Amino acid sequence: AQSVTQPDIHITVSEGASLELRCNYSYGATPYLFWYVQSPGQGLQLLLKYFSGDTLVQGIKGFEAEFKRSQSSFNLRKPSVHWSDAAEYFCAVGAMRSTSGTYKYIFGTGTRLKVLA
Amino acid sequence: GAVVSQHPSRVICKSGTSVKIECRSLDFQATTMFWYRQFPKQSLMLMATSNEGSKATYEQGVEKDKFLINHASLTLSTLTVTSAHPEDSSFYICSARPGVNSPLHFGNGTRLTVT
Repeated sequence: AQSVTQPDIHITVSEGASLELRCNYSYGATPYLFWYVQSPGQGLQLLLKYFSGDTLVQGIKGFEAEFKRSQSSFNLRKPSVHWSDAAEYFCAVGAMRSTSGTYKYIFGTGTRLKVLA
Repeated sequence: GAVVSQHPSRVICKSGTSVKIECRSLDFQATTMFWYRQFPKQSLMLMATSNEGSKATYEQGVEKDKFLINHASLTLSTLTVTSAHPEDSSFYICSARPGVNSPLHFGNGTRLTVT
């Protein structure tokens, strides 16, 4: 079965420190992978996506993620965190439905990032 | 580009009444839109896939008679929570994408509170 795991429920970092949020997926084929960010009471904003090609993808707000097929991972990184980065981060995989040929997004449970001043 | 607008952002209704939530794609056409529900501090649960001009596809366990979905045009999908009860209180988020191989873009969500 397809699944997405974000092992860290909460992460706290100091402003200016580096950040890595972990994401592991289970999917039989090459997945479409995404990272979204959600501020309280808001919808989700796309940070970056991986469809194919270069396994290191750059996103908005200085974020990047690396697809590692051998580890089934798609970890999100940022070299220097800003206080405004405090939010909930969701990893998602686009998995094809065998019955319809369309894609269904499966989301991880999210990682809440707290940034200390 | 690829902006999805959702309205209202917050709604409070009495138990037994119905509430309609609108989802619009502002700068692209969407033959398919997706409705999610999010419980506090939890991930998003796909409720249904809204298909323009045809019936919505509901996920297992989602009551289609309680959560009515209409996708009458290429830019508008609506979710109506019928005979709402307090347990329907939640955060509902819609999403859409410009193309099959495009990522999902989300509305800002609707906080529904049923009293």
